[in-house]
Amino acid sequence: KNEVEQSPQNLTAQEGEFITINCSYSVGISALHWLQQHPGGGIVSLFMLSSGKKKHGRLIATINIQEKHSSLHITASHPRDSAVYICAVRRGGSQGNLIFGKGTKLSVKP
Amino acid sequence: SQTIHQWPATLVQPVGSPLSLECTVEGTSNPNLYWYRQAAGRGLQLLFYSVGIGQISSEVPQNLSASRPQDRQFILSSKKLLLSDSGFYLCACYGGGPNYGYTFGSGTRLTVV
Repeated sequence: KNEVEQSPQNLTAQEGEFITINCSYSVGISALHWLQQHPGGGIVSLFMLSSGKKKHGRLIATINIQEKHSSLHITASHPRDSAVYICAVRRGGSQGNLIFGKGTKLSVKP
Repeated sequence: SQTIHQWPATLVQPVGSPLSLECTVEGTSNPNLYWYRQAAGRGLQLLFYSVGIGQISSEVPQNLSASRPQDRQFILSSKKLLLSDSGFYLCACYGGGPNYGYTFGSGTRLTVV
């Protein structure tokens, strides 16, 4: 079993829909990251969370440390939101490397 | 803020040829540096990390090596590429502290033919 599981693997939505991507993890973490990967491969960091909730524009990320679960929400989705969204957790300690989920491929149709 | 320069963006190399991918960091000093690989249909996997000049740790046995000759330079190399080395290679930097977090390079898509 992977240490970081994302669902769904693929998601198709109509423009304007509210979207939720889920992430569950099985290890102790110091932080959780939500990343966006566009078709060219480049990765952009969207959020870094250690507790609670963060909002940036139409994106909202939440984390429940006790349940080891995080969600990424996109309100009023748009075709330009189409990308792969990746959940990654950072273990504690000086090493600080990330453990990645396999990603959720989102396609928003106009 | 931190910035990572990674090159080249794409690379097609024959089996048995050498490899050198380079990553340089701006905007921070003494960062943790990482090389990750994403094989087709899989998540990103840690290959190497470095907490300082000349300090390299390998997470998985493989045909690759890494070096950190300067504080903000991280190089991924191979003497002889295998078909299985194909994938997307990503350099990342963790500058530490509450206001830094992770920064990612633009990645290199390597195809070994």
